[in-house]
Amino acid sequence: EPEVTQTPSHQVTQMGQEVILRCVPISNHLYFYWYRQILGQKVEFLVSFYNNEISEKSEIFDDQFSVERPDGSNFTLKIRSTKLEDSAMYFCASSEFRTGVTGYTFGSGTRLTVV
Amino acid sequence: DQQVKQNSPSLSVQEGRISILNCDYTNSMFDYFLWYKKYPAEGPTFLISISSIKDKNEDGRFTVFLNKSAKHLSLHIVPSQPGDSAVYFCAASSNSGNTPLVFGKGTRLSVIA
Repeated sequence: EPEVTQTPSHQVTQMGQEVILRCVPISNHLYFYWYRQILGQKVEFLVSFYNNEISEKSEIFDDQFSVERPDGSNFTLKIRSTKLEDSAMYFCASSEFRTGVTGYTFGSGTRLTVV
Repeated sequence: DQQVKQNSPSLSVQEGRISILNCDYTNSMFDYFLWYKKYPAEGPTFLISISSIKDKNEDGRFTVFLNKSAKHLSLHIVPSQPGDSAVYFCAASSNSGNTPLVFGKGTRLSVIA
């Protein structure tokens, strides 16, 4: 069964450093998403991406965050200058259609720890 | 601002019995609702969905009920199996399901053999 692949599974970084989280969505999917889950909290929407541009973003997704689809297969989330409160599980997801009624396919996540 | 609320952080059920997971929402614009299941060290996986034009959707052991007037939905699992032990997330979307999913905090279900 096709799956969304995320790397690395765990990243530890020092506060103020830049991190790039990588995702390979399912190949025929057109819509891509990043979500995050701070420990014990809800899964929060960060950004959606379609046709090489951001289609929606939440208020969490400020100027420190950026997304890119550099080569037609990878979908990356960059955090420019990490803060302690960025520590969370980051999930990438993709879907074939814009409507999520058939559900997004999520990756296994990258656990980001900022120290 | 929790638009989707799962007020029970955990639930324990005996194998073979019914599991009922509850979810409340506040945004009346939501018109699609989904349940996801998450095992440790894995991403959420889609389980079942329901449109606001329906009040029930069934898929095997899983049934989702929607009560629009109460802004409440529930997921019934019957019979519950040990492999159902996971965290269950309720999620919602609006504009015919075209807006990004909004998730609740999840309920951890433990099915005891």
